[in-house]
Amino acid sequence: GESVGLHLPTLSVQEGDNSIINCAYSNSASDYFIWYKQESGKGPQFIIDIRSNMDKRQGQRVTVLLNKTVKHLSLQIAATQPGDSAVYFCAENQAGTALIFGKGTTLSVSS
Amino acid sequence: GAGVSQSPSNKVTEKGKDVELRCDPISGHTALYWYRQSLGQGLEFLIYFQGNSAPDKSGLPSDRFSAERTGGSVSTLTIQRTQQEDSAVYLCASSLDGLGMSAFFGQGTRLTVV
Repeated sequence: GESVGLHLPTLSVQEGDNSIINCAYSNSASDYFIWYKQESGKGPQFIIDIRSNMDKRQGQRVTVLLNKTVKHLSLQIAATQPGDSAVYFCAENQAGTALIFGKGTTLSVSS
Repeated sequence: GAGVSQSPSNKVTEKGKDVELRCDPISGHTALYWYRQSLGQGLEFLIYFQGNSAPDKSGLPSDRFSAERTGGSVSTLTIQRTQQEDSAVYLCASSLDGLGMSAFFGQGTRLTVV
């Protein structure tokens, strides 16, 4: 079946470094992608989204890149902070259908 | 309310009992989703409601699971004859129209079947 997945289950970085979290998707019909952050014991929190007619979108300290040719999505976090430590999920969606999530990448930031 | 509210936050039940989990979505959001998350795992899609359309039930793992959404607002997820493998965090999310808009999640209900 079609699914969204992540390349690495864990990522460890030093405080102040830039982090890149990757995600591969297989459904070429997906037209909307979201990154979520989930801290321990909490529900996922929206970070940033991007539509399929874009290849880059920037937020505060975060950038999402979409490469539709190779069906690849990435989340870049600038100047990573200890508070960024969490599990990050990408999710895909087609209009009118449910969001489908990948398995998640655990980001650990050390001081 | 200001966000998605789920109740109870924790539920411990005996194997074989039925449980009901409640979700109050953000006011005005027409789309509502239920997911299940086992410890250390990703989010498993269960069911999706969009407006007055028939719900997408394709993620429900068995006929012991059902959900309804009354009046286009509050939703209840019911698990009948609970099993130990049903133990997980059940997450609800809502979005403005489900047509590519971002979904906002509640804090979840942690279900433990003993």
